[in-house]
This record gives sequence, C-alpha cells and structure tokens, in this order.
Amino acid sequence: SQTIHQWPATLVQPVGSPLSLECTVEGTSNPNLYWYRQAAGRGLQLLFYSVGIGQISSEVPQNLSASRPQDRQFILSSKKLLLSDSGFYLCAWSVKLGNTIYFGEGSWLTVV
Amino acid sequence: GENVEQHPSTLSVQEGDSAVIKCTYSDSASNYFPWYKQELGKGPQLIIDIRSNVGEKKDQRIAVTLNKTAKHFSLHITETQPEDSAVYFCAASTSNQFYFGTGTSLTVIP
Repeated sequence: SQTIHQWPATLVQPVGSPLSLECTVEGTSNPNLYWYRQAAGRGLQLLFYSVGIGQISSEVPQNLSASRPQDRQFILSSKKLLLSDSGFYLCAWSVKLGNTIYFGEGSWLTVV
Repeated sequence: GENVEQHPSTLSVQEGDSAVIKCTYSDSASNYFPWYKQELGKGPQLIIDIRSNVGEKKDQRIAVTLNKTAKHFSLHITETQPEDSAVYFCAASTSNQFYFGTGTSLTVIP
C-alpha cells in the first residue's frame, strides 16, 4: 500500500531563517505531488504541485519554493522566512491530476 | 475555474443526532466529489467519495448524495458520536484539477 511521510512534524524558526520541509511517498511510481498550507486551521491553500521530476507549478506567488529532486520526493523551501509563513503545511499525492488526493500528517511551522 | 462553496462553517449537534454538510460547485465538468475529515493537528483523511454517475453512496453511518442538475452534494452523518468531531472538507474534481470547500467544523456534544 502507499504511504506518505513528511518531516519535521513541528518546527519553530526565527524570521529570516531558511526552511526545508521534506516529503516522500512510498508504494507508487510517478505520483503527482502537492504542497498545501492551512492558516488559522481551516482552509486548504494549494501552494505547489508537481507532475514529474523537476516539474513544479506554483499556484500562489510568495517567498516559498518547491523542488522535486526524485520521483517520490518533494521539498518545500524558503531562503528567508516571514512571520506570515507560519501555518500548517501538508504534503499530498495523487495517482494523477483530478484523482483522489491523499495527505500526509502535516508539519506545524511557527515563525518567531 | 471551479468554485466550491461549503455550508455551514460551524455545526454543533447533540450526540446521537444527525449532521448534514452541504456543498455547491459551479463547473459542470466536475465529476468526482470526495469528502475529507481532519482531526486536530492531523492531515485530512478521505472518508467517502462519489462519482457523477451515482446519486447516493453510503458507508455505515456516513452517506453522500449528489444532485448534478443543481450542482450540489451533501454529507450526512447519522447517530453522531463525539469522535465525529472534526473539520470536514468537501471537494470537487475535474479531470485535471481539485478544488476544496472552506471546511465545516463539526462539534458533537456528549
């Protein structure tokens, strides 16, 4: 069966510091991968998605970036964090676009 | 693009009562409608889904109905229990895009 892992689970970072959140999917090949953010614990905002290695689509302009160095690895990064980057970040995958999306357990980021 | 609206944003019910959450969508090309449950501090988990060629689907205490003509679909939870308390998201999907509703915070009062 397929599983998705993301880490770290919680992170407290000072303003201006870098960020790296990692996500891996097991048990499937060439998945579509996604990064979502939840602010204020409610709505799901799509940040990035990827349909293949090195292919990244950005949905919202911001100081975050995403990379997909391997088929089942997705990384969310920032060079300099802002207070507004605080939130709950969710990695997710699907077999193909429009199909069921499966979420990881999330990473809590607090920028102080 | 697709616009998914979800109501209500918060819902409180007594244990044992039923809960209903409703969503509307705008794109007639949407053909897949999943529902997710998100417990505090966790990622959303798929609980039930329905495709456009089906009008109703049931899984134990939860059911989903779809009205394609009116472009709305609903989640029904019967005999609610405290562990049903969570945030629920609906979604509508076309062949290449996935759109989420804004979520409903359900509280089941023991």
